[in-house]
Amino acid sequence: DTGVSQDPRHKITKRGQNVTFRCDPISEHNRLYWYRQTLGQGPEFLTYFQNEAQLEKSRLLSDRFSAERPKGSFSTLEIQRTEQGDSAMYLCASSLDIESRTLHFGNGTRLTVT
Amino acid sequence: SQQGEEDPQALSIQEGENATMNCSYKTSINNLQWYRQNSGRGLVHLILIRSNEREKHSGRLRVTLDTSKKSSSLLITASRAADTASYFCATALTGANNLFFGTGTRLTVIP
Repeated sequence: DTGVSQDPRHKITKRGQNVTFRCDPISEHNRLYWYRQTLGQGPEFLTYFQNEAQLEKSRLLSDRFSAERPKGSFSTLEIQRTEQGDSAMYLCASSLDIESRTLHFGNGTRLTVT
Repeated sequence: SQQGEEDPQALSIQEGENATMNCSYKTSINNLQWYRQNSGRGLVHLILIRSNEREKHSGRLRVTLDTSKKSSSLLITASRAADTASYFCATALTGANNLFFGTGTRLTVIP
């Protein structure tokens, strides 16, 4: 399977704990995006990488959130001191075409903070 | 805040009928895309229409774009039960790196 893969698929954590999610994009895609989606809503943009450089961050990305993409390959999204409001589906997407910005999504990591 | 708004929020039709979903957006766009999402899964790209295009077809899908009204519609003809999913429009704004997604239309096709 050469699509975007995310790990884990589900994560249940207690409030205050740190969590880290991983995304492996399509190998030739140099652009990588993180989105967050809550129930009944569309995905909301969090951050964007071109190769290893994080070029854009949404105001939604509080200082408890950090994302990295070492060597321009896989990416990690860490949430520190989780809050119940962080419960959501975290979606990763990659793209090759900067003009169209057509995104290829993974199946997401569903986070539940208890 | 979300760039696009879909209408209706939910749509239920019989298999074989056509389904039409509408999307309105707020600012000038480079292109508009439609995505599909099955429950608990990621989004899948369906079709893209550029700002200088008015209509586009792909299989059973037909997309229209009216930039003067800042709106688009997605028509799925001869619907199937397997078309049951949420459908989102997404806009690519000039000068922006990412896509902005709407709130989605939940389509249910009854066999």
